Amino acid sequence: QSVLTQPPSASGTPGQRVTISCSGSSSNIGSNTVNWYQQLPGTAPKLLIYSNNQRPSGVPDRFSGSKSGTSASLAISGLQSEDEADYYCAAWDDSLNALIFGGGTKLTVL
Amino acid sequence: QVQLVQSGAEVKKPGASVKVSCKASGYTFTGYYMHWVRQAPGQGLEWMGWINPNSGGTNYAQKFQGRVTMTRDTSISTAYMELSRLRSDDTAVYYCAREDYDILTGYSLDYWGQGTLVTVSS
Repeated sequence: QSVLTQPPSASGTPGQRVTISCSGSSSNIGSNTVNWYQQLPGTAPKLLIYSNNQRPSGVPDRFSGSKSGTSASLAISGLQSEDEADYYCAAWDDSLNALIFGGGTKLTVL
Repeated sequence: QVQLVQSGAEVKKPGASVKVSCKASGYTFTGYYMHWVRQAPGQGLEWMGWINPNSGGTNYAQKFQGRVTMTRDTSISTAYMELSRLRSDDTAVYYCAREDYDILTGYSLDYWGQGTLVTVSS
């Protein structure tokens, strides 16, 4: 059971907009920034969003992040087949003194 | 360009230890903390801890306290993660990842190694 809660799966058709939620608590999302990682099949995770809503260079602006209170969201607009991957949210937890990840959301492009 | 290159796959027996290396290049090794994250087959990401390559200071996840040791060799820009008393449920891909920290934007793991598969089997 992950400290950060994500839906196990999400899906959409090409061109659609999908969102993935990440729910935490005051000791993690409520007091620290949230990052999102994309893991394509058989590869290492890649930083997708940092500091709640910032994109590293090279990440398309189709990807956006937001945070409100103890929850965060990742939105993907103009869905493409290459977006099919696992997505993980992460945040530092002050109570656990640990970096925590959500359980991951498997995105399927139909 | 920043690169983290990890050592190759390992097969170990239960009770043994494994030591995974992570060689950094393209940046100042002592300027960034290094984290270790593992992923069991078909499962999510699990944080194990970090090492400060400059001081050698460490912070381990409670779950791994007493079994994990993170070290570094600054002369060759390499970080190591050693896990002892291996069990079958330690079978996983182990990743090193560089931490980028900014006082305004917080922490993120901006570069990852390719992963090292450790299989624990009798």
